[in-house]
Amino acid sequence: KAGVTQTPRYLIKTRGQQVTLSCSPISGHRSVSWYQQTPGQGLQFLFEYFSETQRNKGNFPGRFSGRQFSNSRSEMNVSTLELGDSALYLCASSSGQALLLIQETQYFGPGTRLLVL
Amino acid sequence: KQEVTQIPAALSVPEGENLVLNCSFTDSAIYNLQWFRQDPGKGLTSLLLIQSSQREQTSERLNASLDKSSGRSTLYIAASQPGDSATYLCAVDTDKLIFGTGTRLQVFP
Repeated sequence: KAGVTQTPRYLIKTRGQQVTLSCSPISGHRSVSWYQQTPGQGLQFLFEYFSETQRNKGNFPGRFSGRQFSNSRSEMNVSTLELGDSALYLCASSSGQALLLIQETQYFGPGTRLLVL
Repeated sequence: KQEVTQIPAALSVPEGENLVLNCSFTDSAIYNLQWFRQDPGKGLTSLLLIQSSQREQTSERLNASLDKSSGRSTLYIAASQPGDSATYLCAVDTDKLIFGTGTRLQVFP
């Protein structure tokens, strides 16, 4: 079974631009969650999508948004990029049968490393 | 606000040693806890998931314990190997995962 895939793997943008990251979950998984990882803040939860609906959201500004398609693939968009958005963005998928992410094993992709200049 | 701390932040040991990594959380009202490992430049791999009703979980050379009342979990690695070198993260909470600060482990031959 193929794992979670993320594209692109690396990205360089300049301040003010916007970026879209893509995540394809494991086949059959319906929940996709997104995380930002930085040296200063560690790993932080962005949001979770289940059946095309945002089920949970972390404490990030509205510049960070996402969506999920009917095939469970998910995209994350960051508008008006700031230097502080430079990070490794990880997505994870799970079956979504449990109401809470913590109740089932999360499978992570390799991440997209975003550099904002 | 839930805060998760991992001690030590970094650890370097010779091959064959038994190790204990610590995870502490401020709000004991958690549901479950997961331990992950992260290899450089890669995503996270789930190691063990401890349900709130359980006190420990074991997988091969790994054993994780959970004490909700004291807000602590430990990950025990037996007979460490160079392939165990990675960053180890614990995660707790309910509707979203809150990750710890991580322990960077290096096992040298």
